[in-house]
Amino acid sequence: NAGVTQTPKFRILKIGQSMTLQCTQDMNHNYMYWYRQDPGMGLKLIYYSVGAGITDKGEVPNGYNVSRSTTEDFPLRLELAAPSQTSVYFCASSSRQGAVDQPQHFGDGTRLSIL
Amino acid sequence: QKEVEQNSGPLSVPEGAIASLNCTYSDRGSQSFFWYRQYSGKSPELIMSIYSNGDKEDGRFTAQLNKASQYVSLLIRDSQPSDSATYLCAIGQGGSEKLVFGKGTKLTVNP
Repeated sequence: NAGVTQTPKFRILKIGQSMTLQCTQDMNHNYMYWYRQDPGMGLKLIYYSVGAGITDKGEVPNGYNVSRSTTEDFPLRLELAAPSQTSVYFCASSSRQGAVDQPQHFGDGTRLSIL
Repeated sequence: QKEVEQNSGPLSVPEGAIASLNCTYSDRGSQSFFWYRQYSGKSPELIMSIYSNGDKEDGRFTAQLNKASQYVSLLIRDSQPSDSATYLCAIGQGGSEKLVFGKGTKLTVNP
């Protein structure tokens, strides 16, 4: 079972460069999420999506963009990378049973350094 | 602001002891409760889900939920050094598509 797959696992960017972090899930989950986690800190929600074509901002959306053209894929775009975006990025997906949230399943993460 | 609070720790227990991790939350409408384990440099891994008041046991892990007092706890019996990790409490608040995560409690089990 692949679950949630993130690519790349590691990346070094120069200030001002752009890149896309890829996330795909094979569990047919409607909900997908992007988090960042700075060293020793908790998870911060960047963007999330409740279905194809629908995205919404989380707690820390500035400097990022997302799209959701299919149920499976939820890429995160960094434009004009800044050192403050150095972090570990996690993608997650989940479903819902009625009105009750089910657990989120996480990918292995992308470790991104901006130099 | 809907909040989930955890003791940041670190919590240190000897091997074989019971480790007790606690989480309190502010939203009385919360309906789903999860514990994740995160090893250093790894992604969060789901270890327990609980949806109704009471205890839920899975191997050495027991989740306890008390909605009236707005807390959820995780007990780890016969703690092993391999249990050393950060434990994240996450809560689904019903009507929201998002989970609210606590900042995590770092647990160290000493051999």
